[in-house]
Amino acid sequence: ELKVEQNPLFLSMQEGKNYTIYCNYSTTSDRLYWYRQDPGKSLESLFVLLSNGAVKQEGRLMASLDTKARLSTLHITAAVHDLSATYFCAARLMDSNYQLIWGAGTKLIIKP
Amino acid sequence: GAVVSQHPSRVICKSGTSVKIECRSLDFQATTMFWYRQFPKQSLMLMATSNEGSKATYEQGVEKDKFLINHASLTLSTLTVTSAHPEDSSFYICSARNPPRETQYFGPGTRLLVL
Repeated sequence: ELKVEQNPLFLSMQEGKNYTIYCNYSTTSDRLYWYRQDPGKSLESLFVLLSNGAVKQEGRLMASLDTKARLSTLHITAAVHDLSATYFCAARLMDSNYQLIWGAGTKLIIKP
Repeated sequence: GAVVSQHPSRVICKSGTSVKIECRSLDFQATTMFWYRQFPKQSLMLMATSNEGSKATYEQGVEKDKFLINHASLTLSTLTVTSAHPEDSSFYICSARNPPRETQYFGPGTRLLVL
């Protein structure tokens, strides 16, 4: 059974600092997704990681995937207040029609 | 990027009534759409997978007769909450994949409040 665990679940940090959110999944998956959700809103796609060693960057966010360790990370560089949101990772359930298994989410608060 | 719309964005209804939520892919065809519900401060819970031209696949614990899903066309799926009760109050979100892209695109969500 595929399970996805995120940590930390809550993160409060100062602007300008760096931090990493971790996403572990329990069995083989071939797609790892990162999404952002603002309060009261739906989800915005950030990254899709397809292969071992994949690294993608968009602004101050960088995501990576290690399929051997079954680990994905979302790294935040020099955080700014606008990045405050809840971040979810999700892994694709193999042999399914792109059904995703979701992590619990990481609520990120960035203080000025 | 691909756009998915949902209607209505917010609905308040009386207990015992039925509510229909529409999910549309605006600029692509989606053979598969997904329906989720999300409780406050929690993650997404997959309710069902909606397949165009066939019956939806429901997750364990989700009542088929209560949450009716119809995927009438390649751009439209509907979720009907029948005989709604206050415990059905939640944020309902649909998503669709735009093949061959890997990303699932999410609708803006529908907030349902049952009084």
